[in-house]
This record gives sequence, structure tokens and C-alpha cells, in this order.
Amino acid sequence: SAVISQKPSRDICQRGTSLTIQCQVDSQVTMMFWYRQQPGQSLTLIATANQGSEATYESGFVIDKFPISRPNLTFSTLTVSNMSPEDSSIYLCSVFGTGSSYEQYFGPGTRLTVT
Amino acid sequence: GQNIDQPTEMTATEGAIVQINCTYQTSGFNGLFWYQQHAGEAPTFLSYNVLDGLEEKGRFSSFLSRSKGYSYLLLKELQMKDSASYLCAVREGAAGNKLTFGGGTRVLVKP
Repeated sequence: SAVISQKPSRDICQRGTSLTIQCQVDSQVTMMFWYRQQPGQSLTLIATANQGSEATYESGFVIDKFPISRPNLTFSTLTVSNMSPEDSSIYLCSVFGTGSSYEQYFGPGTRLTVT
Repeated sequence: GQNIDQPTEMTATEGAIVQINCTYQTSGFNGLFWYQQHAGEAPTFLSYNVLDGLEEKGRFSSFLSRSKGYSYLLLKELQMKDSASYLCAVREGAAGNKLTFGGGTRVLVKP
């Protein structure tokens, strides 16, 4: 299994500002995933963060809007830049479990509201 | 690309059985997951199917037919705490690293 923590758990931000979300895992993992879950919607993959290389972004998501850092094998950050109300969402960090090739675990999420 | 469909909502009675269907179209299937998500919480892993057939885990079972692009999650002996959203997700690609989620099925268990 994997234990994932995220900071902050929630925040209310003003339009035009940026917020950096932190994700910490209790074990070393190669890949970390960032998802978004908009109100009443399912999860959408934003990007995959690998240590030592640029993150891979999914269609519709760009690095300028969602820059990602991955300084080591247990930590990653996602920044939501120049926020607008449409960015109001839950942002979740996810990893594969250690010792397993398929179980994927999710952090508790960061609930972001942009006013 | 992916197209994953599941019903939006289902209602069932405590003690009953509910079957949540999921159909998918994918260019590179590498497994299908079911997650449970209670309101305000992160999704929790329920099951994983990569080969055809039924996987049973306590009150929950998951079935996969790759030729039909079809899966279902079966919840038996429903309890009130089973009221939640159930997310079908397909893992795709040669590296199998990407999960694409369906819209989720909200299950309401009534007494």
C-alpha cells in the first residue's frame, strides 16, 4: 500500500493568484499522478510526474497553467496558476502501491475554491 | 482515446444486490479498475480485472469481458455504508500508467 498526504487540504483563493499543492508519499515511487475532480464530475488526469524528467501532460492541460515539480521520489508539487473560478475543483495526487503493479492509491485531495 | 460509460445513479434497498455496468472503448486496454468514493473523500481501490472472468472479494465482485468491452461491479448484501459513488477506470497504453475514469455511478442504499 501507500500512504499519501496533501497540503493544503482546502483553500479559497482569489482570481488571478496561484496556489501550490504539495503531495508527500510514505515510500519511494517512480511515478506520481495529478488528477482533477470538478464538482459532481469524475476524475481527469492532469499529468504524470517522473523524478528527474519533465512531467507529461494530458490533452487540455499545459505546463504554464499547471507547473509540476518532482524533486525526489517521495514528493511532488502541482501549481494552479493564474486561477479562475473554473479551476475550482478537488486536486488529487496518486501513486501505484509499492510491491504492486496495479493498485493505485489516492491522496485525500485538496479542495480549491476560486472566487 | 477512451470512452467509458456507466449509469449515473442507482437506488437499491439494504440487504439487496446491485450491479453497476461499465462499457468502454479503448485503443490499448491494460486492465480495468473499480473504485469507491464517498462524498468528500478520495477514491479507494475495490478491484482490478485484466483477464476475462469474475473476481470475488467478499461482498464485492467484478466481472470483465474484454471482447465485449464490458465490466460490472456486483455489490451483495447491501449496507447503508455502501452509499457512495463507484468509479470505473480503464488502464491503457503499453506502459499501462494512465487511468481514465468513467463518470461514476452514485448508489443510494435505502433502508
